[in-house]
Amino acid sequence: SQTIHQWPATLVQPVGSPLSLECTVEGTSNPNLYWYRQAAGRGLQLLFYSVGIGQISSEVPQNLSASRPQDRQFILSSKKLLLSDSGFYLCAWSVSRDQPQHFGDGTRLSIL
Amino acid sequence: QKEVEQDPGPLSVPEGAIVSLNCTYSNSAFQYFMWYRQYSRKGPELLMYTYSSGNKEDGRFTAQVDKSSKYISLFIRDSQPSDSATYLCAMKRSGTASKLTFGTGTRLQVTL
Repeated sequence: SQTIHQWPATLVQPVGSPLSLECTVEGTSNPNLYWYRQAAGRGLQLLFYSVGIGQISSEVPQNLSASRPQDRQFILSSKKLLLSDSGFYLCAWSVSRDQPQHFGDGTRLSIL
Repeated sequence: QKEVEQDPGPLSVPEGAIVSLNCTYSNSAFQYFMWYRQYSRKGPELLMYTYSSGNKEDGRFTAQVDKSSKYISLFIRDSQPSDSATYLCAMKRSGTASKLTFGTGTRLQVTL
């Protein structure tokens, strides 16, 4: 069966520091991968998605970037964090864009 | 106006009650409809996935789609305290380029 792992579960970072969140999927090949941010009362906002290695589409211009160095690895990064980057970050995968997405347990990011 | 509207609740029901959770939407092009359950500090978990109109049943859960009214529902029979969570609806158009649009979630509390 397929599983998705995200780490860390919780992260506290100072303003201006870099960020790297990692997501890996097991049990499937060539998944579609997604990064979301969830804010209270605002639902899930799609940040990035990837249909293959090195292929990244950005949905919202922002202080973040994503990379997919391996088939089942998706990384969310920032060079300099802003206070507004605080939130709950979720990684998801799907077999294809028309199939439902399955989520990891997220990273709660607090910026001080 | 948001594309997907969902009452945030909280909705409090006694154990054993039938729960009805709903979403309305404005985009008639939505073809795929999903319900996710999200426990506190966890990622969303896929409960139901339906295509176009009609009903789908899985155990105590029934998903209903009425495209003519742009209205979807999730019914939970014999509700249990373990059903206490936030329920998110999500939907998308057909085609690989379209993305999921989420409701903001309804918080459900099932009391003993």
